Amino acid sequence: EVQLVESGGGLVQPGASLKLSCVASGFTFSDYWMSWVRQTPGKTMEWIGDIKYDGSYTNYAPSLKNRFTISRDNAKSTLYLQMSNVRSEDTATYYCTRDGEYSYWGQGVMVTVSS
Amino acid sequence: DIQMTQSPASLSASLEEIVTITCQASQDIGNWLSWYQQKPGKSPQLLIYGATSLADGVPSRFSGSRSGTQYSLKISRLQVEDIGIYYCLQAYSAPNTFGAGTKLELK
Repeated sequence: EVQLVESGGGLVQPGASLKLSCVASGFTFSDYWMSWVRQTPGKTMEWIGDIKYDGSYTNYAPSLKNRFTISRDNAKSTLYLQMSNVRSEDTATYYCTRDGEYSYWGQGVMVTVSS
Repeated sequence: DIQMTQSPASLSASLEEIVTITCQASQDIGNWLSWYQQKPGKSPQLLIYGATSLADGVPSRFSGSRSGTQYSLKISRLQVEDIGIYYCLQAYSAPNTFGAGTKLELK
């Protein structure tokens, strides 16, 4: 059974950094592109970016490119999202997803940016 | 960026009714269009990929179609378990973009 489990969220202050993780199981992690998507409290979905199966290539939403970094550790079947200089508008539920069709999603992890 | 204009924003329908949701792409995206259902308190789930292909385990009352740059999701006979928010997503070119969502409720 394919499982994606995100962690690392919580309450953070504006300007801080945060690293989210997504542990994958039930499939060969190193065979798939992976993505991060976020959903605002108002239910707007926003694509953050994706990473090639071997970690050699990444794409980002232009508005987030300078503050967010996606990486992966195929040996640990883990996807990461490094968030820096977070802002109130980064408050959202963050999901990791698998492959180009986004055929599997994690349960999501909430990030709240507030002082 | 490619814009995805999804309509309607909300929809109230009766059981067994036919429901149609549309997404208009701002440019050609071929068949790089997927549909997702998000039930209350849950993660989104893939319904349709490649504009018209039904994802594994999705009931056959769901179908997708394409006419040029307009894409449609049809639910042939609405069931209680279909209530939720529906999103389209284009994955033709980065940044991938979602529609604003359609909230489907029972009348």
